Amino acid sequence: GAVVSQHPSRVICKSGTSVKIECRSLDFQATTMFWYRQFPKKSLMLMATSNEGSKATYEQGVEKDKFLINHASLTLSTLTVTSAHPEDSSFYICSAKRMDRSPYNEQFFGPGTRLTVL
Amino acid sequence: QKEVEQDPGPLSVPEGAIVSLNCTYSNSAFQYFMWYRQYSRKGPELLMYTYSSGNKEDGRFTAQVDKSSKYISLFIRDSQPSDSATYLCAIPSGGGFKTIFGAGTRLFVKA
Repeated sequence: GAVVSQHPSRVICKSGTSVKIECRSLDFQATTMFWYRQFPKKSLMLMATSNEGSKATYEQGVEKDKFLINHASLTLSTLTVTSAHPEDSSFYICSAKRMDRSPYNEQFFGPGTRLTVL
Repeated sequence: QKEVEQDPGPLSVPEGAIVSLNCTYSNSAFQYFMWYRQYSRKGPELLMYTYSSGNKEDGRFTAQVDKSSKYISLFIRDSQPSDSATYLCAIPSGGGFKTIFGAGTRLFVKA
């Protein structure tokens, strides 16, 4: 159990277009989902925390109008990169916490989405 | 000072070696400590977690916490090429709502 999927796994788009990435918890309900960005050979950078039915909480320095997050249900969160530019190219990873939150805050990660903006 | 510090490596060892991966942290209030493993182009997966000080063993992996020195370690015995990955230490914070990740150490185990 505790499987998280992401779609698409890879996307290439032109500069100025918008890209939507979906994150789904397949076999559990997720109270909270997180969106991370990871640069090559670097660690995870938390972008935002998303709770079902409420507005996402963005980390300092992350543009909320640029990275739109919607957590419409307990199993789905989406990240939309609006008006993408080459500097937005990165590996985006989502994670989810179960409703029966473990004391050590275990997060289950998706496989990631590789975004390349030309 | 970062809340969690981890040497990014890379660390290259021969097959069968004992590997030691380490992190230091700054907040003495932290209680849970986790290790995630991330293969190339994949999302991280939880490998082990420990609570407070002491050791925890799972097969070839041992997680160790020394709260007095704010130092956490992951040992891998009889390392295999399949252990080649990035290992990230992680600590829940913010009342458990967030997790702070170390930079990750890239490990290469050569056959």
